Amino acid sequence: AQSVTQLGSHVSVSEGALVLLRCNYSSSVPPYLFWYVQYPNQGLQLLLKYTSAATLVKGINGFEAEFKKSETSFHLTKPSAHMSDAAEYFCAVRIPTNAGKSTFGDGTTLTVKP
Amino acid sequence: ETGVTQTPRHLVMGMTNKKSLKCEQHLGHNAMYWYKQSAKKPLELMFVYNFKEQTENNSVPSRFSPECPNSSHLFLHLHTLQPEDSALYLCASSQDRGAVYEQYFGPGTRLTVT
Repeated sequence: AQSVTQLGSHVSVSEGALVLLRCNYSSSVPPYLFWYVQYPNQGLQLLLKYTSAATLVKGINGFEAEFKKSETSFHLTKPSAHMSDAAEYFCAVRIPTNAGKSTFGDGTTLTVKP
Repeated sequence: ETGVTQTPRHLVMGMTNKKSLKCEQHLGHNAMYWYKQSAKKPLELMFVYNFKEQTENNSVPSRFSPECPNSSHLFLHLHTLQPEDSALYLCASSQDRGAVYEQYFGPGTRLTVT
């Protein structure tokens, strides 16, 4: 079984501030982990993924995430927020043998204040 | 066309109507998915198809009927819907053989049931 919990349904930061979106997972085997972003009236777009290689994963738009097995976490960070980062962010987990089935978190809405 | 396309983008239908949503992927993937995204609710996986065979049906009411004639096309046939079926319906695809592959999402169809 697999599950993911995103802590905080809404996060607000000022432009230029650090972005930190939290994700904790539960999995019976070493998982694959993903962060997706969804802009208004659009589908989800992959930001980055962890597939058991490097624990620090860099993605698009300056985002990165670190896989921490001891903490069962995969938090998403960006050093300096931009207004265009305002969107909804989803963490997802997948068991490697569970063909096609990713489990998504409830999402975190990021607001960026000028 | 590239990626995953969905038509129509917006649909308003009465409770007695019959309509269909169409999804097409131009990525050569073998797996396709339907998701329902309602306001204030988590992303719900509805159906999964792998090489045209349905491999997942998450207790979806029979008023939703999927069809996958080939690996590139996916339909969702709708009939006698309820107002609570109003949501954003997202189609996704992935390559589900070998290494890990993330899901690619279409822009969604915004469905309103009146």
